[in-house]
Amino acid sequence: AQSVTQLGSHVSVSEGALVLLRCNYSSSVPPYLFWYVQYPNQGLQLLLKYTSAATLVKGINGFEAEFKKSETSFHLTKPSAHMSDAAEYFCAVSDFGNTPLVFGKGTRLSVIA
Amino acid sequence: EADIYQTPRYLVIGTGKKITLECSQTMGHDKMYWYQQDPGMELHLIHYSYGVNSTEKGDLSSESTVSRIRTEHFPLTLESARPSHTSQYLCASSAHGLKDTEAFFGQGTRLTVV
Repeated sequence: AQSVTQLGSHVSVSEGALVLLRCNYSSSVPPYLFWYVQYPNQGLQLLLKYTSAATLVKGINGFEAEFKKSETSFHLTKPSAHMSDAAEYFCAVSDFGNTPLVFGKGTRLSVIA
Repeated sequence: EADIYQTPRYLVIGTGKKITLECSQTMGHDKMYWYQQDPGMELHLIHYSYGVNSTEKGDLSSESTVSRIRTEHFPLTLESARPSHTSQYLCASSAHGLKDTEAFFGQGTRLTVV
């Protein structure tokens, strides 16, 4: 069965600094991978997705993620953090895109002025 | 903009009451899901459906039930609410096929059972 591990339940960065949120997956078949963001009292919004095409995926709000099969990783990055990036971030996996999403436990990103 | 709606947004209800959480989508998606999100943020799949008259239980055991009589509608029902049911419930939908596989989420229903 597929699973996702997000390293670090809370990450704090200064405004303008690099954002790096870590995600490792486990899947017995080629995975489809996703990053979602959740603001307080809201649902989840898709940031970006990997569906077996380009390994470097660009998403909304300046975020991007790189699929590395050898490391079973799909880390999320943004070159320069903005105060509005403060939110909860979730990594998720689906087998071939055919199965319901399985989520990691989430990482809370804080941005310090 | 995702067109998936959940009502109510917030609900406070007494123990033993029957409740139904509504979820509707206007995107024509075949697949719909219910996730339970605990205070520690983690999301757990409790029910899903791949089409009309098709429902399956998810990874997390839940006392709730669901129905899928219409493509656009996927309500979740608790016959007798208990304090342990206090949580946020998120509904989602996705298209059939391999191209558009992402799930679109509603804004959630925050349920408090007192």
